[in-house]
Amino acid sequence: ETGVTQTPRHLVMGMTNKKSLKCEQHLGHNAMYWYKQSAKKPLELMFVYNFKEQTENNSVPSRFSPECPNSSHLFLHLHTLQPEDSALYLCASSRADLRGDWNTIYFGEGSWLTVV
Amino acid sequence: DAKTTQPNSMESNEEEPVHLPCNHSTISGTDYIHWYRQLPSQGPEYVIHGLTSNVNNRMASLAIAEDRKSSTLILHRATLRDAAVYYCILISGYGGSQGNLIFGKGTKLSVKP
Repeated sequence: ETGVTQTPRHLVMGMTNKKSLKCEQHLGHNAMYWYKQSAKKPLELMFVYNFKEQTENNSVPSRFSPECPNSSHLFLHLHTLQPEDSALYLCASSRADLRGDWNTIYFGEGSWLTVV
Repeated sequence: DAKTTQPNSMESNEEEPVHLPCNHSTISGTDYIHWYRQLPSQGPEYVIHGLTSNVNNRMASLAIAEDRKSSTLILHRATLRDAAVYYCILISGYGGSQGNLIFGKGTKLSVKP
């Protein structure tokens, strides 16, 4: 148990489907993140939220739409994805207000996404 | 961010200590040394981090060279569950890009029963 829970663990979706990934953290952190990890590329940071506000969007295509209703929950809404979007999507959290400590990031187990 | 260099792979026997080295010769004074590991089919897991002094926690110990140009992650008694890829990364303590963890190829640790 990492304190960061992701659902579903596995998802298969068609290119015309709309689905969502959910993340919940029980660590009392105020920053949450979405990452993508695939066999072709190392860990890629997608979005950063601090105190529910999006502070980073690393040029992610609009077919990925994040939502952060509160500091404990994070969603990634998916629509009209492409097969090359198949990857492991990781949610993570951290504290964001302690100098030098904000980068101790705790990851969930990830959601394996396959786009067919 | 400064780069790190790690061996591609290492082997250990179960219940023996493991020393995983990391070189970071271009480390700056404000860079923290972090270690993560990733077990097969799971997300990365934070292991330990430090700045200048050696650090211990329930998972491992981190030994940092006096000049900070290298460090060693020490698993005191390897178990089969420790088989994973171990990543050594540097994270700036001042204004670094939040959440931007640059994982290299890491060291793949195999543990033999």
